[in-house]
Amino acid sequence: DTEVTQTPKHLVMGMTNKKSLKCEQHMGHRAMYWYKQKAKKPPELMFVYSYEKLSINESVPSRFSPECPNSSLLNLHLHALQPEDSALYLCASSQSPVSNQPQHFGDGTRLSIL
Amino acid sequence: RKEVEQDPGPFNVPEGATVAFNCTYSNSASQSFFWYRQDCRKEPKLLMSVYSSGNEDGRFTAQLNRASQYISLLIRDSKLSDSATYLCVVGFPGTASKLTFGTGTRLQVTL
Repeated sequence: DTEVTQTPKHLVMGMTNKKSLKCEQHMGHRAMYWYKQKAKKPPELMFVYSYEKLSINESVPSRFSPECPNSSLLNLHLHALQPEDSALYLCASSQSPVSNQPQHFGDGTRLSIL
Repeated sequence: RKEVEQDPGPFNVPEGATVAFNCTYSNSASQSFFWYRQDCRKEPKLLMSVYSSGNEDGRFTAQLNRASQYISLLIRDSKLSDSATYLCVVGFPGTASKLTFGTGTRLQVTL
């Protein structure tokens, strides 16, 4: 069982909808991440939160809006998505925001844009 | 040149075989190295960190060669349950926890 919990597991939405993906961890980790993964490709980093502050935005379109309400929670707000945004969205956390820490992944939200 | 390169495979091996995967990275200042496994339509799971002295966890052995910028993963006595994609992951210094993933090597263990 993963210690990083993501909801929902699956999401189908239209291009005009607004929805949010949620991620939660209770390991006391102080860095949290959003990744996007397309089929047969490795995960691509989208955002990094370090001590609840956004530290990396990998030039992600503004239709994706991250939020970190507290050290255990990470949200990804979605609005006006495009069909090419259909993918597996993975949340991860690590003990601290340094590159020698392994990241632990949630089981993802599979998103389909109609 | 890609930052992290892996042979995509697939590697098809019989149960009980020994199989080795290789990975090369381009940034000589890289500090941290990991192997993850990912099952079809599942999340990546940490298999093991890779240390300079090499490390072993049961049937799995990881090696790091900094001079050649090369990481390896050896799986002994392959099981059907080892079938997955193995991702080589590298952390670069000064990039605040940014990890770079290889494209993965697909392993299929057969009866």
